Amino acid sequence: GENVEQHPSTLSVQEGDSAVIKCTYSDSASNYFPWYKQELGKRPQLIIDIRSNVGEKKDQRIAVTLNKTAKHFSLHITETQPEDSAVYFCAARARVYRGSTLGRLYFGRGTQLTVWP
Amino acid sequence: DAGVTQSPTHLIKTRGQQVTLRCSPKSGHDTVSWYQQALGQGPQFIFQYYEEEERQRGNFPDRFSGHQFPNYSSELNVNALLLGDSALYLCASSSPSGPATNSGNTIYFGEGSWLTVV
Repeated sequence: GENVEQHPSTLSVQEGDSAVIKCTYSDSASNYFPWYKQELGKRPQLIIDIRSNVGEKKDQRIAVTLNKTAKHFSLHITETQPEDSAVYFCAARARVYRGSTLGRLYFGRGTQLTVWP
Repeated sequence: DAGVTQSPTHLIKTRGQQVTLRCSPKSGHDTVSWYQQALGQGPQFIFQYYEEEERQRGNFPDRFSGHQFPNYSSELNVNALLLGDSALYLCASSSPSGPATNSGNTIYFGEGSWLTVV
């Protein structure tokens, strides 16, 4: 099965600085890569995702890049704010077919991001 | 915002007991997956239901079972509870678009059910 590794496990930045979290995956069949933000005691919330036919996607201060050849993808947060503090999870999923057994998400172990004011 | 609803939100059970967790998927979604998230860990896939059948299963023992109803809602049952079953149980819904797609589909998580086994 797929194996997703995420680094670093903890990341502390000063408000206004950028933060980068990196993930690698092992299964070349994976083609969908979401990123989730999880605040303490809450559910994971999708913040951005990227599909394998795209190399980069940006949404305001958040961007994700994907290198299919190297099998790695990264989350970039610019102009960080204290409210960005949370645990961030990357995930990977293989191609989805209707009624197939594919479609499960494989998660990284998470990165605790702390943004200091 | 995702529309996936789970119940109960919190519950405490004793070792050896059984528990049933419930999930209603987002409107228009027909596929339900269950994940277990232990403290400090990423979510781990338990199983997925589509067309009322278990389609894929993660590395969980038979004590974990499920069901999907004709209205696409789902239940997760855990028998003979162990202390190690204490976790946040997340339901996720999705819907493949069309008979086959290379684009994948967005997965939305419910708020989760916090299970504590004492």
